[in-house]
Amino acid sequence: GESVGLHLPTLSVQEGDNSIINCAYSNSASDYFIWYKQESGKGPQFIIDIRSNMDKRQGQRVTVLLNKTVKHLSLQIAATQPGDSAVYFCAENDRAGTALIFGKGTTLSVSS
Amino acid sequence: NAGVTQTPKFRILKIGQSMTLQCAQDMNHNYMYWYRQDPGMGLKLIYYSVGAGITDKGEVPNGYNVSRSTTEDFPLRLELAAPSQTSVYFCASSSGTANTEAFFGQGTRLTVV
Repeated sequence: GESVGLHLPTLSVQEGDNSIINCAYSNSASDYFIWYKQESGKGPQFIIDIRSNMDKRQGQRVTVLLNKTVKHLSLQIAATQPGDSAVYFCAENDRAGTALIFGKGTTLSVSS
Repeated sequence: NAGVTQTPKFRILKIGQSMTLQCAQDMNHNYMYWYRQDPGMGLKLIYYSVGAGITDKGEVPNGYNVSRSTTEDFPLRLELAAPSQTSVYFCASSSGTANTEAFFGQGTRLTVV
């Protein structure tokens, strides 16, 4: 079936380090991927997305990498700050292209 | 900018009671979604709608019903609340298909006792 998973449930980094959050997906037909950030008590917020015709996309301090060969997605956060502490979810479109399928999430903790 | 608005933010229900979770968006989005999020888990799709008058089941629809009489509103109905429905519920909307960013509301935390 369709599933999106993350390799690590938690990631702890020091302020100023670069963070890498990984995600494996199973649907080889997915053509859209997205990363969300969820802070405690809030709804998910869009970080960055990427379509399957790309292998890299950069935003402000964030980069998403897509490796379709091994069905792997990663989110890189440069110079991680305490405000980046949150749960990060990757998601892909479902087979019908009508909804997003979410992974379980990685909790990023940033210490000063 | 209101975006996606959910009410109520918190609710405690007794087993067997019913309630409607409200969701409204002001972005004129055709696509709307209801997800539930259990502790430490990702979001699971309950129902979705691709436009007014059109709804369809997601991954975990049992125990829920939806309607979409207008573009703006997408209420989620629980008819006979069960402890297994204790969760945080998120409504979302998007302008197109799942190939576009979905905007989420702040969530409704529901406890069934």
